[in-house]
Amino acid sequence: KNQVEQSPQSLIILEGKNCTLQCNYTVSPFSNLRWYKQDTGRGPVSLTIMTFSENTKSNGRYTATLDADTKQSSLHITASQLSDSASYICVVSDRGSTLGRLYFGRGTQLTVWP
Amino acid sequence: EADIYQTPRYLVIGTGKKITLECSQTMGHDKMYWYQQDPGMELHLIHYSYGVNSTEKGDLSSESTVSRIRTEHFPLTLESARPSHTSQYLCASSALGQGATTDTQYFGPGTRLTVL
Repeated sequence: KNQVEQSPQSLIILEGKNCTLQCNYTVSPFSNLRWYKQDTGRGPVSLTIMTFSENTKSNGRYTATLDADTKQSSLHITASQLSDSASYICVVSDRGSTLGRLYFGRGTQLTVWP
Repeated sequence: EADIYQTPRYLVIGTGKKITLECSQTMGHDKMYWYQQDPGMELHLIHYSYGVNSTEKGDLSSESTVSRIRTEHFPLTLESARPSHTSQYLCASSALGQGATTDTQYFGPGTRLTVL
């Protein structure tokens, strides 16, 4: 069964600290993996997208890694800010259809305290 | 910021009412999607469209219906709302950019529906 599991479910850190969010998936075949940021009451916004051949992708203070062999990805946030408080969702796409079906994780709820 | 809009943002209605959730995008995207998301849970695809006059049901069974008469417009309708329909509904659109091999979905702000 194709699944996307994220950990931790929730995380609280102090402003300025770094953190790493994890994503494990069993989706096969694999096309790409995306990290989205979803603020409360808003739609998700894409942070990074990585294909099979990419190991690392950065977007400002966000750095995503991908290990396609172990089917694991991480999202590292550097020097966290209060505005980083949000849910971070890992999304994996397969190659099985024209649509490129997306499998969503439940997200990690990050709270940054001052 | 993506140019995709949803109205209303919040809706509280009584059981049995007919409702339509609006979704519009100005990016000319051919693909559009409707997702349902409960608090703390993953997004579930309920409808999608490849283009005008094309609509398909998604992974999660839904009593709602959709239409795609214009490229930019993808409304979702519930003929008779029930408390079990209470959820957040997210609309998204995507298109394969020139030279790209994957397309990114751009999401609207969502409509939070509460059925009493």
